[in-house]
Amino acid sequence: AQSVTQLGSHVSVSEGALVLLRCNYSSSVPPYLFWYVQYPNQGLQLLLKYTSAATLVKGINGFEAEFKKSETSFHLTKPSAHMSDAAEYFCAVSFSGGYQKVTFGTGTKLQVIP
Amino acid sequence: KAGVTQTPRYLIKTRGQQVTLSCSPISGHRSVSWYQQTPGQGLQFLFEYFSETQRNKGNFPGRFSGRQFSNSRSEMNVSTLELGDSALYLCASSLNPSGREETQYFGPGTRLLVL
Repeated sequence: AQSVTQLGSHVSVSEGALVLLRCNYSSSVPPYLFWYVQYPNQGLQLLLKYTSAATLVKGINGFEAEFKKSETSFHLTKPSAHMSDAAEYFCAVSFSGGYQKVTFGTGTKLQVIP
Repeated sequence: KAGVTQTPRYLIKTRGQQVTLSCSPISGHRSVSWYQQTPGQGLQFLFEYFSETQRNKGNFPGRFSGRQFSNSRSEMNVSTLELGDSALYLCASSLNPSGREETQYFGPGTRLLVL
């Protein structure tokens, strides 16, 4: 069965500091991996996705993630946190079945301290 | 192109009542998925529709049902509401229903409160 684990339900960083949100996956087939962001009272918005084309994936708002098969990880990073990055972030894995089935992690709330 | 829209945005019901939520996907998208989001359980998959057919269903009781119309709009219904059904219900649409790499586009959600 496919699953994702997000380490740390809450992460706090100072404005301008590195953002690192952790995601580990479990999949019996090559996974497709996604990071979504959710701002308060809004739906989810795609930040980036890994589809096996390149291990380092660049997304919107300066975020990027690196797929590491040996570590079964897909951590999200941003070099310098901005106040507007405060939100909840979800890692997700998509697996086969003839149609799309997506499993989301439990989410990590990012707090940015001025 | 307009995004995914969900109506209503907020809803208050009492236990035992039923509720119907509506979702209009992005134009041209034929796959619609529904999720329940709660602080305790996170995001849980409810079901997915494509061409008016339910193709996949999560682990929810039969009180939760849905349907999709010929124009791809979808509704979900919850009968005999329970307090635990209080949640944010998210709808997502996608273009290619068989693509694992396909991006889902989410609506703003309907926040349901059951009293």
